[in-house]
Amino acid sequence: NAGVMQNPRHLVRRRGQEARLRCSPMKGHSHVYWYRQLPEEGLKFMVYLQKENIIDESGMPKERFSAEFPKEGPSILRIQQVVRGDSAAYFCASSQRGASTDTQYFGPGTRLTVL
Amino acid sequence: EDQVTQSPEALRLQEGESSSLNCSYTVSGLRGLFWYRQDPGKGPEFLFTLYSAGEEKEKERLKATLTKKESFLHITAPKPEDSATYLCAVHPLSSGSARQLTFGSGTQLTVLP
Repeated sequence: NAGVMQNPRHLVRRRGQEARLRCSPMKGHSHVYWYRQLPEEGLKFMVYLQKENIIDESGMPKERFSAEFPKEGPSILRIQQVVRGDSAAYFCASSQRGASTDTQYFGPGTRLTVL
Repeated sequence: EDQVTQSPEALRLQEGESSSLNCSYTVSGLRGLFWYRQDPGKGPEFLFTLYSAGEEKEKERLKATLTKKESFLHITAPKPEDSATYLCAVHPLSSGSARQLTFGSGTQLTVLP
């Protein structure tokens, strides 16, 4: 049962370092979504990607954050020069077709701690 | 602005004590409403999708219903293993991508043995 996979599960970085979070969608899914869950807050949409394309990045901070989903390999969420406020759980979800009514299935998340 | 409000924030039940969780939404239009369950330290686990008012879905002790303004998650005779945070999310018909989910803050359910 190959669900959405994320790694690492836990990541510790010092202020100013880079964080790379990886997401492999479910088998047969080609649409990936990234969400962030800050402590004591709900899940917030960041970015939606298809293979080699960013479809919607309206929820992603303009600076320091970037995302990609290459033709081969996992989707990557990259955070440059991390700050303490970036500490959160980052979840990836995938769907099969990308239709607006498609169910998004979530991975276990990456918990980023910035020291 | 699209909004999803869940109530109560926290709920403690005795095993076997049925109750309902509420999700009210204010969106420009609704493509779908989703219920997820989230255990501590884990990702949201999909439960139900509802698309139109009057629709109902059931799974074991859970039943989800939808009206034009809100959804209810009914839990019948809960067990301790039903303890989790239950999340409601909507796919709004707002401008831009209609694929992003707008989540409520969740209801933290604790079922005591």
